[in-house]
Amino acid sequence: DAKTTQPNSMESNEEEPVHLPCNHSTISGTDYIHWYRQLPSQGPEYVIHGLTSNVNNRMASLAIAEDRKSSTLILHRATLRDAAVYYCILRLGGNEKLTFGTGTRLTIIP
Amino acid sequence: EAGVAQSPRYKIIEKRQSVAFWCNPISGHATLYWYQQILGQGPKLLIQFQNNGVVDDSQLPKDRFSAERLKGVDSTLKIQPAKLEDSAVYLCASSFGGGATDTQYFGPGTRLTVL
Repeated sequence: DAKTTQPNSMESNEEEPVHLPCNHSTISGTDYIHWYRQLPSQGPEYVIHGLTSNVNNRMASLAIAEDRKSSTLILHRATLRDAAVYYCILRLGGNEKLTFGTGTRLTIIP
Repeated sequence: EAGVAQSPRYKIIEKRQSVAFWCNPISGHATLYWYQQILGQGPKLLIQFQNNGVVDDSQLPKDRFSAERLKGVDSTLKIQPAKLEDSAVYLCASSFGGGATDTQYFGPGTRLTVL
């Protein structure tokens, strides 16, 4: 599986935007970029996914670089409830398997 | 819509004892997964079922771990005998089974402590 690289931790102020980076320089043309997050004492939950174009949903936006070697998850206005570990995962086309790394632990400062 | 149910939520056992975890997936989901999450790490896939058949069990320690999904609905994961290094959260997830864009829905997990 192609690997991703994320910062171990990030901090952000409440009510400000958060940009969570992910590098995936060995991505292949059929790899989808998925983001999941894990709130404290809960199982992971789906956030967003994309292939080539930028994507928006009610939770977040995903900005994908033109060469697809990096992407950024954008939380437009962080709340305390967004404090979690965020995982960037490459998912091979046609494969349902999720391979988690260690993710980015996001701390929100009130 | 009901989510993925798991029980028990917590379990404490001594090494060499046996333990079993139960998972009931979201209704209609064909694919079921068991993950192991050791403290400070991301979840690691142990086994994936498609209906009641095994798709991937390459990372399941088969000398002590076993899993079944009878009738293609709920599933049990068993550890026999447990070791200290099995202390972890065991997560169950399910999905429709639609490939690389399919969303996995996770249960709350079972926290296992082996003494």
